[in-house]
Amino acid sequence: DQQVKQNSPSLSVQEGRISILNCDYTNSMFDYFLWYKKYPAEGPTFLISISSIKDKNEDGRFTVFLNKSAKHLSLHIVPSQPGDSAVYFCAASLYNFNKFYFGSGTKLNVKP
Amino acid sequence: ETGVTQTPRHLVMGMTNKKSLKCEQHLGHNAMYWYKQSAKKPLELMFVYSLEERVENNSVPSRFSPECPNSSHLFLHLHTLQPEDSALYLCASSQEGGRSLYGYTFGSGTRLTVV
Repeated sequence: DQQVKQNSPSLSVQEGRISILNCDYTNSMFDYFLWYKKYPAEGPTFLISISSIKDKNEDGRFTVFLNKSAKHLSLHIVPSQPGDSAVYFCAASLYNFNKFYFGSGTKLNVKP
Repeated sequence: ETGVTQTPRHLVMGMTNKKSLKCEQHLGHNAMYWYKQSAKKPLELMFVYSLEERVENNSVPSRFSPECPNSSHLFLHLHTLQPEDSALYLCASSQEGGRSLYGYTFGSGTRLTVV
């Protein structure tokens, strides 16, 4: 049973516009969420996180929004840049457990 | 070297071959993981080692055999694989004892092709 889902396998956005990547989860006990970014031939790297006590976390061009009632989080990239083209994974974990459940990833293509 | 290093980067093997994937971490972490990434699927957790003991085995076929000789090294021994085992195999590490705010540190992966 897949507890973290990314229903859009790919997304194409024009440079300078906003990219919105979505992630849904089923376990209401998840209380910590991460986004990872993965370039080809490299491993995933940590991008941004959010705790369930918040509904928004911002880091430069990247903002993650959490809607606990909908069990939904999203990653906004503004403005999008060609270097942002990568696969983005969301991940979730339970309180005080260092086990993360991953989605299937969304491949973002930012066109110049 | 720093981070998590995986070798080889690419591996092509026949179904009757035996090969091993190697992972080494230089972060002082005490937990290591093997993940499988197949196209359009979530990252699949295969094995977890904490303090050099296997603490999780997610119904992985016996043709995959992990080994963790110490907290810095992790191996995945492969034998009589099937073509559907072709995937990117990722190693990761973390520090146990509470949650890591940055999740796991991943290696670059081994791209495995079974022919």
